[in-house]
Amino acid sequence: EIVLTQSPATLSVSPGERATLSCRASQSVSSNLAWYQQRPGQAPRLLIYGASTRATGIPARFSGSGSETEFTLTITSLQSEDFAVYYCLQYNIWPRTFGQGTKVEIK
Amino acid sequence: QVLLEQSGAEVKKPGASVKISCKPSGYIFNSNYLHWVRQAPGQGLEWMGVINPGSGSPNYAPRFQGRVTLTRDAATKTVFLEVMSLGTGDTAVYYCARDVGGGNTALHFDYWGQGTLVTVSS
Repeated sequence: EIVLTQSPATLSVSPGERATLSCRASQSVSSNLAWYQQRPGQAPRLLIYGASTRATGIPARFSGSGSETEFTLTITSLQSEDFAVYYCLQYNIWPRTFGQGTKVEIK
Repeated sequence: QVLLEQSGAEVKKPGASVKISCKPSGYIFNSNYLHWVRQAPGQGLEWMGVINPGSGSPNYAPRFQGRVTLTRDAATKTVFLEVMSLGTGDTAVYYCARDVGGGNTALHFDYWGQGTLVTVSS
């Protein structure tokens, strides 16, 4: 199965600053990678799919990039509601796999 | 609008089984695969398997093969996750999630259920 490694595990950022999250795949997933945001007590929410396409209703401060094995989620000008845990998901092959998550916390 | 309504919280003893339901609405039941994902307390997301509601055909993550069963009831337009031989490590929130692909195409997940907490304790 494909292993997704996210870094860092925790990212401390001040409101208004930029956050850069990484997801590395153990083998190529092409562009079949999605990013999810999960706030405490809530189900995950789709942010990005196809490595770089924002889902419906997602603010432009969220952007995704990368392909094959290296992916990045960037959040510019962090808002209070953006402090959460972020997961990447590969849907290139079975079984589907998630990264272990990156927690974005207030500095 | 698309909604995935899951059944309520369960408390089970080790060795027992649990069966959770997920009832989608707001779209054609047969048109999208439905996945199951679990999350242990304080832990990350773990994909368990997927079912094609049209055919009823499942696909399981290797670590759950043989202990998890995915089924669907076409009449009530409901999908089910059954986990057998529960252990304390199965304590988790279990989510169903809709695949955004249509037909026989599986992609990423767009809509999620609210989650069902399963607690395994003696």
